[in-house]
Amino acid sequence: DGGITQSPKYLFRKEGQNVTLSCEQNLNHDAMYWYRQDPGQGLRLIYYSQIVNDFQKGDIAEGYSVSREKKESFPLTVTSAQKNPTAFYLCASSTQGPGELFFGEGSRLTVL
Amino acid sequence: EDQVTQSPEALRLQEGESSSLNCSYTVSGLRGLFWYRQDPGKGPEFLFTLYSAGEEKEKERLKATLTKKESFLHITAPKPEDSATYLCAVQGNYGQNFVFGPGTRLSVLP
Repeated sequence: DGGITQSPKYLFRKEGQNVTLSCEQNLNHDAMYWYRQDPGQGLRLIYYSQIVNDFQKGDIAEGYSVSREKKESFPLTVTSAQKNPTAFYLCASSTQGPGELFFGEGSRLTVL
Repeated sequence: EDQVTQSPEALRLQEGESSSLNCSYTVSGLRGLFWYRQDPGKGPEFLFTLYSAGEEKEKERLKATLTKKESFLHITAPKPEDSATYLCAVQGNYGQNFVFGPGTRLSVLP
């Protein structure tokens, strides 16, 4: 079955450490996205990529980095520069043009 | 700037008590409006896409409608398993980005 796989589902990090969240899709979608979700708030866009080797900052990119070396993969690194990284992170993908987003199951990051 | 608001923030219904959720939006040219269902600790699950005013989509007990300024998600005779957070999002004509509302948390009591 086609879909989006995020890993790990739960992650604990000490302050000052970088962590990388994995996102893989087999839907053959060109566009991929990373969102952050905090309680009581809508999904906020961190980064998105419309094509391999190209990506753009979203609304809250500070303290995060991404790469898009393969069409199927869009990993997100949460760096030590991110001041409040504890959150639920969602990866999504879509076709180019009008069309819905498909989401993974999410990764919950907790900073100890 | 594209914006989406949703109301109410939370809604409690008795099983069988029909109601509607509202999604109001401002966007520079609507490419699509999307409804999602999200269960706690899970990723959002796609429900509907609406593209133009007057369009309606139905799925089981859910019906989504669209006007030029808002969308409604009507829930007919809800069941406890319909309890979830319902998210609304828009995609504008200028760009690939999606803008999400904060969601409506629905609880259906048996």
